Amino acid sequence: NAGVTQTPKFRILKIGQSMTLQCTQDMNHNYMYWYRQDPGMGLKLIYYSVGAGITDKGEVPNGYNVSRSTTEDFPLRLELAAPSQTSVYFCASSFGGDRTSGGTQYFGPGTRLLVL
Amino acid sequence: AQSVAQPEDQVNVAEGNPLTVKCTYSVSGNPYLFWYVQYPNRGLQFLLKYITGDNLVKGSYGFEAEFNKSQTSFHLKKPSALVSDSALYFCAVRDISYSGAGSYQLTFGKGTKLSVIP
Repeated sequence: NAGVTQTPKFRILKIGQSMTLQCTQDMNHNYMYWYRQDPGMGLKLIYYSVGAGITDKGEVPNGYNVSRSTTEDFPLRLELAAPSQTSVYFCASSFGGDRTSGGTQYFGPGTRLLVL
Repeated sequence: AQSVAQPEDQVNVAEGNPLTVKCTYSVSGNPYLFWYVQYPNRGLQFLLKYITGDNLVKGSYGFEAEFNKSQTSFHLKKPSALVSDSALYFCAVRDISYSGAGSYQLTFGKGTKLSVIP
């Protein structure tokens, strides 16, 4: 299993540009998440999904959009990039409903985004 | 609401000495607790979790953590530190008394940087 994969690894955007961060998992997890990590701030939840076709906002959703058309994929869309969106973005997945796992989340390698 | 505190931004320890990374939590009901490790330019890697049962939980790479309900703590420990343990460590909590679509959300601490000195 590849686990959780993310593309691209690194991207530079100009202010106002848009892009999609890709995330795919092959563990058949029903839950998926997007976080951003800023230095000294830990991880902040942007959006999450409990299954195909179902998404909901996390703590910091402004400026982002998501969709979940399949179990495997959970892309994150930035429509009008701003310098405040410079960050490292992590996708994660978990198996909701399994008492053994307790909802353990498994993370991808991250996408480093720089908005100039 | 659930929250996690990691009171130390950085912990320095000599190689071969025992290490402790502290974590305290706050939940309305009962917690599930997790530790993750992040090496430079990498994603978070799961180390161990407490769900139920024995308060002492053993995980990957010789790490263990003790759940203390009265002190609402879940400190990460290792008897003998290695230089390769140097990384960023995150504690996370999930309040299992919460039900609903977001009930599997984890709240993460801000992280503790562990430096093991040769």
